[in-house]
This record gives sequence, structure tokens and C-alpha cells, in this order.
Amino acid sequence: NAGVTQTPKFQVLKTGQSMTLQCAQDMNHEYMSWYRQDPGMGLRLIHYSVGAGITDQGEVPNGYNVSRSTTEDFPLRLLSAAPSQTSVYFCASSGTGFLAKNIQYFGAGTRLSVL
Amino acid sequence: GQQVMQIPQYQHVQEGEDFTTYCNSSTTLSNIQWYKQRPGGHPVFLIQLVKSGEVKKQKRLTFQFGEAKKNSSLHITATQTTDVGTYFCARSGGSNYKLTFGKGTLLTVNP
Repeated sequence: NAGVTQTPKFQVLKTGQSMTLQCAQDMNHEYMSWYRQDPGMGLRLIHYSVGAGITDQGEVPNGYNVSRSTTEDFPLRLLSAAPSQTSVYFCASSGTGFLAKNIQYFGAGTRLSVL
Repeated sequence: GQQVMQIPQYQHVQEGEDFTTYCNSSTTLSNIQWYKQRPGGHPVFLIQLVKSGEVKKQKRLTFQFGEAKKNSSLHITATQTTDVGTYFCARSGGSNYKLTFGKGTLLTVNP
């Protein structure tokens, strides 16, 4: 059972380039989220989804787009990369239920540098 | 906003010493979760607390939820080098899905 799979693990971009961070889960979870982690800032929610076709903004959504066409996949798109988007990105998923939705399973992360 | 404050930000201990991290909220929490992230790794769920005054134990780890449901603590007895990492608390948004994480406490253990 793979759990939550993120690709790529590492990425270097130039300012202005676009790219998509991939996230897939095989646990049939309804809830999926994207976080970024910066030193001293903890985990900050970028976007989240409560099911296929439904997405919403988190705390730091600017510069990022998401879509959720299937239950399994939740890609994160950087439209025009900026150095401020250098970070570690984590995708997470959780099941349904009032308490189960809070138990998040994280992917291994994507370490992104924007030059 | 619905933030949670964690203290301390850093803690360095000698192996065998105890360790405690605290999570505080200005508003009542419906529940709280604790996660551990090893250096270079990803957060891993440890436990969820729901009831006022709840205490749960996992081997050397003891988790408490305050009576007023505004604070929580994680206590590790007799730390080991395997306990190294950052410990995060997180709160849910209640009816919506959003989880808000504290900034974490980084624990280092000197062998």
C-alpha cells in the first residue's frame, strides 16, 4: 500500500517558469490538502479539497492553482514561480468522518528551489 | 484567526531527561492532533484528543487535553535519540476540513 505519493522529490526552477507538483493517494480518501513548510513557520495550508470537483483556498493560496478531477489525484500548479515559493511542499490526505478527517497522511514531500 | 501557539520553539535535552511541549489556543478546541516529523522526513500522525481532560499514553509519550479544551501537552519520559524531531500540534476548523498547525517544537537529544 503506497499511501500518498508525491512527485518529483526535488525540483529546481527559474523565476517565471511554471510546473505541476503531483500528488496521488490510493486510500480512497475524500480529503486532500497541500501544505508548504518553511523554517520557523510550521505547515501552512495552501489549498484543500473535500472531494472530486471541490477545492477551496487555505492560508497561503496566492500563486498556486489546484484541481481535483479524481478522488486519487490532487496536483498543485505553480503558475509563474517566484523565489518566495522556494519551500518544501507536502500533500496530505484523510478519510471521511468528523474525527477521521483530522488524521492526515502525508507524502514524502517535494523540495522546490526557485532561482 | 484560529491559531495554536506552541512552546518552546526549541528544546535540547540529554538522553534520559524528560521533555514537554505545550500547545495553547485562545479559543476552545473541538479536538487536537499531535504529529511528529523526523529531520528530513514528513509529518506522521501520533494521536488525536477529543474529550476535556483526556489523557492518552503511547509507551513513553503522554498526551493531555486541558479541562477547558484550550491547551494540550505532550510529555516524553526518559528521552531517547529516536525521539529527535519536530512535534506539531494541529487543530481542526470544526465543521470544515481545515487543519491549522502550530509552528512546532524541535527536540534534539544529546546521547
